[in-house]
Amino acid sequence: EPEVTQTPSHQVTQMGQEVILRCVPISNHLYFYWYRQILGQKVEFLVSFYNNEISEKSEIFDDQFSVERPDGSNFTLKIRSTKLEDSAMYFCASRSGPSTDTQYFGPGTRLTVL
Amino acid sequence: GESVGLHLPTLSVQEGDNSIINCAYSNSASDYFIWYKQESGKGPQFIIDIRSNMDKRQGQRVTVLLNKTVKHLSLQIAATQPGDSAVYFCAENKDNFNKFYFGSGTKLNVKP
Repeated sequence: EPEVTQTPSHQVTQMGQEVILRCVPISNHLYFYWYRQILGQKVEFLVSFYNNEISEKSEIFDDQFSVERPDGSNFTLKIRSTKLEDSAMYFCASRSGPSTDTQYFGPGTRLTVL
Repeated sequence: GESVGLHLPTLSVQEGDNSIINCAYSNSASDYFIWYKQESGKGPQFIIDIRSNMDKRQGQRVTVLLNKTVKHLSLQIAATQPGDSAVYFCAENKDNFNKFYFGSGTKLNVKP
């Protein structure tokens, strides 16, 4: 069964460093999402992406964050200058199209900012 | 912003019993709701969804009930199994499928 994959599974970085989290959505999907989950808290929406542009973003998704679909398979989340409070699980999700509502989540990347 | 919350943070049930997990939402304009299951160390897994023009939807061993009058959503799991042990989240969406709000989750413990 097709699935969303994410790399790395765990990323450790120093405060102020840039990180790029990578996702490979399900191949025929058109809508892409990033969420984060701080340990012990709820899943929070960050951004949605369709047709090579951002559809929606939350107040969390400030200028330090950016997303990109550099090729036909990858979907990346970049944090330019990480802060301690960026430490969380980051989940990528994808959805096939307008007639299908279901989002499929990847296993997540655990980001630890020291 | 919207607020989606759960009544009980932890629910313990005996294997074979039915489980009911509740969720309250605050945005009366939300028109689409999903229940997700999250096992430890994994991403959320879709269980079942419901649109606001319905009040009940059934899947395999699961039923979602929507009460728009009191803005309440519930997930019923029949004959709960140890493999059902996980954290369950509800999520809501309005107008499109580009922005979802998640609740804080209920941990379901199934005792053998």
